Amino acid sequence: EPEVTQTPSHQVTQMGQEVILRCVPISNHLYFYWYRQILGQKVEFLVSFYNNEISEKSEIFDDQFSVERPDGSNFTLKIRSTKLEDSAMYFCASIGGRSTDTQYFGPGTRLTVL
Amino acid sequence: DQQVKQNSPSLSVQEGRISILNCDYTNSMFDYFLWYKKYPAEGPTFLISISSIKDKNEDGRFTVFLNKSAKHLSLHIVPSQPGDSAVYFCAAMLQDFGNEKLTFGTGTRLTIIP
Repeated sequence: EPEVTQTPSHQVTQMGQEVILRCVPISNHLYFYWYRQILGQKVEFLVSFYNNEISEKSEIFDDQFSVERPDGSNFTLKIRSTKLEDSAMYFCASIGGRSTDTQYFGPGTRLTVL
Repeated sequence: DQQVKQNSPSLSVQEGRISILNCDYTNSMFDYFLWYKKYPAEGPTFLISISSIKDKNEDGRFTVFLNKSAKHLSLHIVPSQPGDSAVYFCAAMLQDFGNEKLTFGTGTRLTIIP
C-alpha cells in the first residue's frame, strides 16, 4: 500500500538554526499539507499546497516558515530560525484531489529545539 | 479557538464491549467529519468518515453517528479489541476540492482492558 514518508524521524537543533523537514507524498497525489502537534496538544493545520503554490496557511505559519516542492517527489517544510516553541511533531499529509479523499499522513518528524 | 472538542481525554473499556467516543463541534460550516486513530510515534491513520448529509456510516466494527442539530458526532467500536487501544482524533473540514484543511479535536486515549 502506498504511504507518505518523512525524514528525518527526529531532528534536534539549536534555537535560531534553520531546519528542513522532508516529506515524500504518495506519488499520484496532488494536494499536500503540513500539520504539527505540540506534545499533549491537538494536531494543528499549518499549510496546504497545490500546483506549486500555498493554498491556505494558518496563523502559526508565519514568515519563519516556508514550503517547497523542489522536484516531482519531495515536499519540504523549512523553518528559518527555530524557536523553542517550534518543538513538536510535524506531520505531512497528501490527498489525491477528489473531494472527500481522505488525507494520508506520514509518520511524522519530531523536532526538538534546544 | 476550540472548534472541535473531545471532552474525554481518556476512556477504558473491557474487551468485547462497546467503546463510544464523543466529539462536539461549533462551526456549522463543517460538512465532513472524520475519525483518525493514532499510535505513538506514528502519524494519524484514517478510520471512518461521514458527510453532513448523512447521520450514520458503518464500516465493519466502526460506526460513526452524526447529530447535526446538536453539532455532535460519536464513534462506536463494537466489539472492542486490544488492538483498538490508541488515541482517537475527531476531525472536521469544509469540503473545498482538495484545499481541505482538517481541524482536529484534542484526542481521546482509548484503552481496551483484556
